Amino acid sequence: GQQLNQSPQSMFIQEGEDVSMNCTSSSIFNTWLWYKQDPGEGPVLLIALYKAGELTSNGRLTAQFGITRKDSFLNISASIPSDVGIYFCAGPEFYGGSQGNLIFGKGTKLSVKP
Amino acid sequence: ETGVTQSPTHLIKTRGQQVTLRCSSQSGHNTVSWYQQALGQGPQFIFQYYREEENGRGNFPPRFSGLQFPNYSSELNVNALELDDSALYLCASSSPGRDTQYFGPGTRLTVL
Repeated sequence: GQQLNQSPQSMFIQEGEDVSMNCTSSSIFNTWLWYKQDPGEGPVLLIALYKAGELTSNGRLTAQFGITRKDSFLNISASIPSDVGIYFCAGPEFYGGSQGNLIFGKGTKLSVKP
Repeated sequence: ETGVTQSPTHLIKTRGQQVTLRCSSQSGHNTVSWYQQALGQGPQFIFQYYREEENGRGNFPPRFSGLQFPNYSSELNVNALELDDSALYLCASSSPGRDTQYFGPGTRLTVL
C-alpha cells in the first residue's frame, strides 16, 4: 500500500526559530493533511491541501502541496514553546485501498532545545 | 459547533475481555472512521462507517467490529482482548465525499 515518509523524525527548536519538515511518497496523493498531536490527545488538523502547487497558510504555519503530488512541506515561522508536539502528514489512500483510509506518516517530533 | 467527542477517556481491561468505545461525530458530519494508535506510531485505520454501514476496513481481524447509529454516532467493539490491543483509539468524522477528517481526543485502552 501507499506509504508516507516524514523527515526529520525529530528536531529541537529554540524560540523564534523557523522550522521546516516534509513528507514524501512514491505514489500520488490528491489531498495532503497536516495534523499536530500533543501527548495523550487526538490529532488536531492544522492545514488541508487539495490542489497540486497549492500554498496555504494558517497563522505562522505554511504548507505546500508538491507539484508532483508526491510530496508536501510544512513550515513554522518564529516558533514558540507551544509548537512542541508531534506533527503528522496524512493523505487518503488512492489506489486499491479501503475507502476512508487516511495514511499517516510516522511523525516529526518537535522538542525545545535544552 | 460541537467537535468530535469520545468516551470513556481511559479504560483498563484484562486479556480476553470485551470492550465498547463510543464516539459522537462533529455536527454536520455523517461519516465516522476509527483508528488505532500504538505508542510512538501514527494512527492506523480500522474501519469507516457511512449511512450505518461499514464503508471500508483496514487490516484488522473480525474481533474488531463497529456500529453507526441514525444520529451518526458510532461504537467500536473489540472482543477477546489481547495485550497488543493496548493503544489510543481515535475516532474521526468527516462530511460525505470529503477527505478531511477531524479527530476526537481518543480513548486510552490498557489491556493487562
